[in-house]
Amino acid sequence: GAGVSQTPSNKVTEKGKYVELRCDPISGHTALYWYRQSLGQGPEFLIYFQGTGAADDSGLPNDRFFAVRPEGSVSTLKIQRTERGDSAVYLCASSSLAGANTGELFFGEGSRLTVL
Amino acid sequence: AQSVSQHNHHVILSEAASLELGCNYSYGGTVNLFWYVQYPGQHLQLLLKYFSGDPLVKGIKGFEAEFIKSKFSFNLRKPSVQWSDTAEYFCAVSPTDSWGKLQFGAGTQVVVTP
Repeated sequence: GAGVSQTPSNKVTEKGKYVELRCDPISGHTALYWYRQSLGQGPEFLIYFQGTGAADDSGLPNDRFFAVRPEGSVSTLKIQRTERGDSAVYLCASSSLAGANTGELFFGEGSRLTVL
Repeated sequence: AQSVSQHNHHVILSEAASLELGCNYSYGGTVNLFWYVQYPGQHLQLLLKYFSGDPLVKGIKGFEAEFIKSKFSFNLRKPSVQWSDTAEYFCAVSPTDSWGKLQFGAGTQVVVTP
């Protein structure tokens, strides 16, 4: 597709379970970002990939959260031992090398995670 | 501590009225500034940005914003709104050496009535 694709769009899980959220960025975009948006708040930075490597993971809240991008395209955000406080919309965004000039991140529609 | 503050959480106005949304930030060092918009049922998209140069920047759909460095502000304006401007608006800042690492405000829900 033409935009950033995120799956699943909705995920309901039980406390303590493991969850994976997938992001398929715009083709050719080298930079990929994960953000988390809690109810009534703006998005909060989690992690940034440039190619395959995590260039900045300073926003990951704790070691239950992990993200990979093994081939420099699709990324997976992994959450272990989910807690109710992890409930949020997880947003993925990508940008091209030209993004440093355009300043534009292209966001997906998000994966809404609900932890019961 | 770094922060981005949006003055209003909810704004209701009539078509053709003027809109101004306030944004103030607290951030060490030089910053890039952004306004993003999320229309109902859609994803976040860039409205406009300031990196450097002319502090008055123009974006899509007739929006503009002014960076006032002395006030740490980046207010968004539109002279005459339309019903289609109903959306949530987010102000964001980033460090100049990591432009995509955005810190967002809490957002302002704008409702334009016909």
